[in-house]
Parts: sequence; structure tokens; C-alpha cells
Amino acid sequence: RKEVEQDPGPFNVPEGATVAFNCTYSNSASQSFFWYRQDCRKEPKLLMSVYSSGNEDGRFTAQLNRASQYISLLIRDSKLSDSATYLCVVTDYTGGFKTIFGAGTRLFVKA
Amino acid sequence: DVKVTQSSRYLVKRTGEKVFLECVQDMDHENMFWYRQDPGLGLRLIYFSYDVKMKEKGDIPEGYSVSREKKERFSLILESASTNQTSMYLCASSFGQGLLESAAFFGQGTRLTVV
Repeated sequence: RKEVEQDPGPFNVPEGATVAFNCTYSNSASQSFFWYRQDCRKEPKLLMSVYSSGNEDGRFTAQLNRASQYISLLIRDSKLSDSATYLCVVTDYTGGFKTIFGAGTRLFVKA
Repeated sequence: DVKVTQSSRYLVKRTGEKVFLECVQDMDHENMFWYRQDPGLGLRLIYFSYDVKMKEKGDIPEGYSVSREKKERFSLILESASTNQTSMYLCASSFGQGLLESAAFFGQGTRLTVV
């Protein structure tokens, strides 16, 4: 089982749609969680951190479910510019530092 | 804004060559990382460093070495380049340790082709 798993997609949605991605992680001792966005042929950029209480940034909402070991990203009112690959990132500190990236979920938003 | 700069966007090297990839960050971050990214495999950690002259192996260190002589600079070395090292290489930095660790910020990437 991979340490961090994401549905690779692609997700094809119309503008204005709401879309949700899930990411599961295998190490229950994981401590920090992030969502990154990566555009084609560009470097990953931090989209948002994910906190236990959940957090929202405009149209984006991130949730953490420690019991089921998954994090989620919800995008409301999708824009064409949201088309990208979304990477789930998990960091744990058991037996040393380790940051693990998921392989990413591709999103295409169409007009 | 954090700036992480990689020395080259594109490189073409021959099999057997020694290759140096340089990365510089300007935010006084303690932690620096080298990843490679391949289609379908995501980002994989090659090496990382918590401090000057310190290095730790990541998940795929074979065929690579690193050097961190100054806090702001982290170099990745391919001792003898092979075609299976053709990839996108990404450098990243972050501050803090353990639970105080920040998210990582990436350089623009170096697309290396080994022929």
C-alpha cells in the first residue's frame, strides 16, 4: 500500500461546479498535512495547510479526518484557472523526518 | 516572498558524465530537499539536509550525492549520469524542525535529459 494515495483522475468538470478530492495516508502518526497545486511543467506551489479543525480559503476548503486517515480538498464554483494537478502532502516525524507527496489528482475545468 | 532558484531549467548530458544541479534559497531556511518527479510516480525524495554539512538519504538516493557547504545552497550530484536519471528535478526549502516545520517552497525545476 502506498503511504499517500490519491485518485489520479482526471476529473473533468464544468465551470461553476463543486469538486472534491480525497487523499488517504497510511501512517497514523502523521502530523502535518498540505495541499499543493502544480500547473503543467511548473513547480508545485503551496495551496493551503490542513488543520484538524478544517480550514477555508475563499472557494477552497480543506478537511482532515484523523480517525479514517484522510484529507480532503473541496473547490466550489470552479474556474477555468483551477485546472491543474493537486498534490496531497503528509509529513510525519516517527523515526525521523519524512515528507511524502501523493502522485496528484488532475483537474480539468471546462467552459 | 520565498525564492528558491535552480541553476538551469533544461540540461542535456551524456551517459557517464558527472552532473551538478545547484539550488539556492534566499530565506535562511534550515531545511533543503531534492526531489525527482516522473509521470505516474509523483515526487520522490532523493536527499535532504537539515543544516550545513548535514545530509540524509531520502527514498531513492542511489546514483546521487549531495553537498551543503553553505546554508543557502544545496547541490545535487549525479556521479555518473545514466538514461534512467532523465527526469524533472525539483529543489525545495522549508524552515523549522519537527512540528514547527513549515510547508516546503520549490524552485522552478530542472528538466534533465541523459542521452
